[in-house]
Amino acid sequence: DAKTTQPPSMDCAEGRAANLPCNHSTISGNEYVYWYRQIHSQGPQYIIHGLKNNETNEMASLIITEDRKSSTLILPHATLRDTAVYYCIVRAPNQGGKLIFGQGTELSVKP
Amino acid sequence: GAGVSQSPRYKVAKRGQDVALRCDPISGHVSLFWYQQALGQGPEFLTYFQNEAQLDKSGLPSDRFFAERPEGSVSTLKIQRTQQEDSAVYLCASSLAGTENSPLHFGNGTRLTVT
Repeated sequence: DAKTTQPPSMDCAEGRAANLPCNHSTISGNEYVYWYRQIHSQGPQYIIHGLKNNETNEMASLIITEDRKSSTLILPHATLRDTAVYYCIVRAPNQGGKLIFGQGTELSVKP
Repeated sequence: GAGVSQSPRYKVAKRGQDVALRCDPISGHVSLFWYQQALGQGPEFLTYFQNEAQLDKSGLPSDRFFAERPEGSVSTLKIQRTQQEDSAVYLCASSLAGTENSPLHFGNGTRLTVT
């Protein structure tokens, strides 16, 4: 399975953009990059996913490098409610679509 | 709309008891997943269903763990003769299609404490 590497923790000021990096240097051409977050005492929440192109939705933007070996999740205007653990996951086909979670990045948004 | 619903939200069991945890997926979702999350760790995959078929149970930690989805909708995770190491949050997720382009949507889990 392709693995991901994320910093264990990051801080961000409220109202500023939060840029969360992820390395996935062994990713294969047909594997998607997914981002989830988990707020304390809740289940993981789907944020966004992509294959090759950059993606944007109402929650965030996903920037994938041209070689697909790394990506960045961007929360454009972080709020205190964005404080959570953020997981970057490479999802392989032909495995039932299961997600393999790592340790994630603990993002703290500070006033 | 309604998301994935899990019950009970909390369960306390004495060591040796059997427990059953229920998952109601999002209506129409074909795929259903169970995960186990220990304190301070990321979720770990247990098993996966496509409709009523259990296609992957490679993550079940022992033969005390059993999952079923008999009609392709509601699923139950059963743990027999619970041990203290079974204490964890058990998460259920569903997905519209069993493909890598179809996101999983998680419930808020059942927190199991074995005393």
